[in-house]
Amino acid sequence: DAGVIQSPRHEVTEMGQEVTLRCKPISGHNSLFWYRQTMMRGLELLIYFNNNVPIDDSGMPEDRFSAKMPNASFSTLKIQPSEPRDSAVYFCASSHLSGGLANYGYTFGSGTRLTVV
Amino acid sequence: DQQVKQNSPSLSVQEGRISILNCDYTNSMFDYFLWYKKYPAEGPTFLISISSIKDKNEDGRFTVFLNKSAKHLSLHIVPSQPGDSAVYFCAASAHNNDMRFGAGTRLTVKP
Repeated sequence: DAGVIQSPRHEVTEMGQEVTLRCKPISGHNSLFWYRQTMMRGLELLIYFNNNVPIDDSGMPEDRFSAKMPNASFSTLKIQPSEPRDSAVYFCASSHLSGGLANYGYTFGSGTRLTVV
Repeated sequence: DQQVKQNSPSLSVQEGRISILNCDYTNSMFDYFLWYKKYPAEGPTFLISISSIKDKNEDGRFTVFLNKSAKHLSLHIVPSQPGDSAVYFCAASAHNNDMRFGAGTRLTVKP
């Protein structure tokens, strides 16, 4: 299994541009999570999906952020318009949740380092 | 609102000694706790977990202790090795819902 795959690994964009981050979860996992890592706050949960349905998006910082999961094998996190304060590493993780948290928690991708200048 | 807190941003220990990483939480509904390890340019990887029905879980050099009354858990690494140098994240979950992470502690093990 290739694990959770995120693209791109690095993204540099100008303020005001639209940014789209992509994630392919592990096949068979039914839950997908988007996290953002910053120095000050560590790993913050932005949104998570269960069976492709958004369950909790209370962590999405502003309306500029949106996430979709059109099918079980693909999700996107979009920022429009982007701002310098959005610069961070964005992680996608997947897991199989079925009444009890898997003993091994979530599997994370390698992250996308976003720099907005 | 930080429900999971790691108050020490960094820790440095000598090789062979014990490393103790601490974590506090505020949500009494949390019933599952995990530690993740993160190397630069990689995603966090699962290290060890503990259920709220236990107070200790051991896996080789790694032991996690849970003190529910104090809402505190700790990760002990003994003996510490240079390869253990990484950022360690504490995480907690309530009833199979999403996982909340602390800000992380950067461990440096000196040879």
